[in-house]
Amino acid sequence: SAVISQKPSRDICQRGTSLTIQCQVDSQVTMMFWYRQQPGQSLTLIATANQGSEATYESGFVIDKFPISRPNLTFSTLTVSNMSPEDSSIYLCSVEKGWRNEQFFGPGTRLTVL
Amino acid sequence: GESVGLHLPTLSVQEGDNSIINCAYSNSASDYFIWYKQESGKGPQFIIDIRSNMDKRQGQRVTVLLNKTVKHLSLQIAATQPGDSAVYFCAENTNRGSTLGRLYFGRGTQLTVWP
Repeated sequence: SAVISQKPSRDICQRGTSLTIQCQVDSQVTMMFWYRQQPGQSLTLIATANQGSEATYESGFVIDKFPISRPNLTFSTLTVSNMSPEDSSIYLCSVEKGWRNEQFFGPGTRLTVL
Repeated sequence: GESVGLHLPTLSVQEGDNSIINCAYSNSASDYFIWYKQESGKGPQFIIDIRSNMDKRQGQRVTVLLNKTVKHLSLQIAATQPGDSAVYFCAENTNRGSTLGRLYFGRGTQLTVWP
């Protein structure tokens, strides 16, 4: 398995500001993913972040709004830029690991935008 | 993305009963399916998976059934316990080589277990 931590666990932010969420894994992994989970909804993939290359964004998500860094094999950040109330969600990182290529999820960052 | 949906958004069962959570998918090319459990305030936790070359797989107290003919997936929990109360998601992936890659998640079913 993988032990994944996220910071902050929750935050309340003002409209127009930006928040950077950190994801730390206890071992080196190639593929990391960022998901959004809106209140009462399922998970939607934002982007795939591989070390040493640009993140790959899913339809409906753009780099200017959700810039991602992946400086090494154990760490990634997701920034939610120029926030609006519609960005209020839980943001989760996940990693792919093991011979079965299982995905393990972090605890999530609960973001509220006022 | 591909459509992965759930038939029932909520399910309430008595402790000790068996639970069945259903999921439909639309992409016939999907070849890997996973069930996740998400407790309140936590990230999803892997429960069990199944590949498309199987129609049944058993774990500890859980069984996943796959019917490719009707594109249907189910999770059976035996002797449901209060600790099983959570939201359950199915997810699908069209495996690409050696990496799992992106997952498409279903809507989720809230399972509540009554003592």
